[in-house]
Amino acid sequence: DIQMTQSPSSLSASVGDRVTITCRASQSISRYLGWYQQKPGEAPKLLISDASTLQSGVPSRFSGTGSGTDFTLTISSLQPEDFATYYCQQSVDSPRLTFGGGTKVEI
Amino acid sequence: QVQLRQSGPGLVKPSQTLSLTCDISGDSVSSNSVAWNWIRQSPSRGLEWLARTYYRSKWSNDYAESLKSRITINPDTSKNQFSLQLNSVIPEDTAVYYCVRGTNSWLDYWGQGTLVTVSS
Repeated sequence: DIQMTQSPSSLSASVGDRVTITCRASQSISRYLGWYQQKPGEAPKLLISDASTLQSGVPSRFSGTGSGTDFTLTISSLQPEDFATYYCQQSVDSPRLTFGGGTKVEI
Repeated sequence: QVQLRQSGPGLVKPSQTLSLTCDISGDSVSSNSVAWNWIRQSPSRGLEWLARTYYRSKWSNDYAESLKSRITINPDTSKNQFSLQLNSVIPEDTAVYYCVRGTNSWLDYWGQGTLVTVSS
């Protein structure tokens, strides 16, 4: 299975901060990378697919970049509703989807 | 709007069978453009893909290699739902289980989640 490694595992930030989360794949996955946001007690929500395609309704302060093995999720100006855990997921090895361990964004 | 509604017991005894059902509204289990998945989440294993079923002129199922001997996913076209069975459960199967729609392998609609605890 393709291993997905996220860093950091947690971070502290303030409203208005620029936040960057990194995801690394154990082998090249081209741009088959998605990002999810999960709030406590809720299911994950798809934010970005294909490394950089923002899903409908997702604020433009979220952006994704990368290809191959290294990817980044950026929140340009952190808002109170963005405090959550973020996960990356590869789909190149479908159906054997694998996820990163998560990055918790805290106040 | 697609909605997935899960049902099933929250407590299963070791060695018994875990059974969950996912009711679909706003889409069809027989759609030929999506797949229907089960995903679980636990503190020890994180998010883990378990199984999927999909229809492309015929039905196909795929399973996580580590669970292949114990797991079954089934579509039910008459009820527009799909189900998960996991046999011979152990405490390590304790997790929140989600039913999820996949579009081009992106997981775009999730059920509400069911915490299943394996304990005697």
